[in-house]
Amino acid sequence: NAGVTQTPKFRVLKTGQSMTLLCAQDMNHEYMYWYRQDPGMGLRLIHYSVGEGTTAKGEVPDGYNVSRLKKQNFLLGLESAAPSQTSVYFCASSFRTSGGAVFFGPGTRLTVL
Amino acid sequence: GQQLNQSPQSMFIQEGEDVSMNCTSSSIFNTWLWYKQDPGEGPVLLIALYKAGELTSNGRLTAQFGITRKDSFLNISASIPSDVGIYFCAGQGGAGGTSYGKLTFGQGTILTVHP
Repeated sequence: NAGVTQTPKFRVLKTGQSMTLLCAQDMNHEYMYWYRQDPGMGLRLIHYSVGEGTTAKGEVPDGYNVSRLKKQNFLLGLESAAPSQTSVYFCASSFRTSGGAVFFGPGTRLTVL
Repeated sequence: GQQLNQSPQSMFIQEGEDVSMNCTSSSIFNTWLWYKQDPGEGPVLLIALYKAGELTSNGRLTAQFGITRKDSFLNISASIPSDVGIYFCAGQGGAGGTSYGKLTFGQGTILTVHP
């Protein structure tokens, strides 16, 4: 099993550009998440999904959109990138049971100039 | 957002020494998770704890879920150079949590192991 995979691994954008980060998991997990990690701020939840076709806001959702069209995929979109969105983005997934272990992907390092 | 109190913030030890780190919270959790993160990589799950008082081992790693459900510790025995990295605790569920897997993270412990 590959676990949680993310593409791309690195990306540089100019302010105002858009892009989509792709996440896939092969563990048949119901729940999927997008986190961002910044120095001194730790990991913060952007959006999450409890199942195919559902999404919900996390702690820091502004400036991002997500879609979960298939159970195994969770997409994070930036419609108009800003320098404040420079960060490392992690996708994660878990089974539905409350308290199920959460598994993370390798991350996408995004720089917005 | 809310964070757990994780200590120590950093540790410098000699290869072969044992390591101990812990996390405390003002809220109770149903699950405690311990992760290790290497530079440029995602957090890797080391140990998951599901019951108060549970003591679980994974090789040289041992972790315990506190009886009060507000704390957890991680021990690493006989450290080796590849133990270097950042260790995070995370709490999930409980009075401060929700039905989905939202995690509350500690600030991390940076571990350096000198050969």
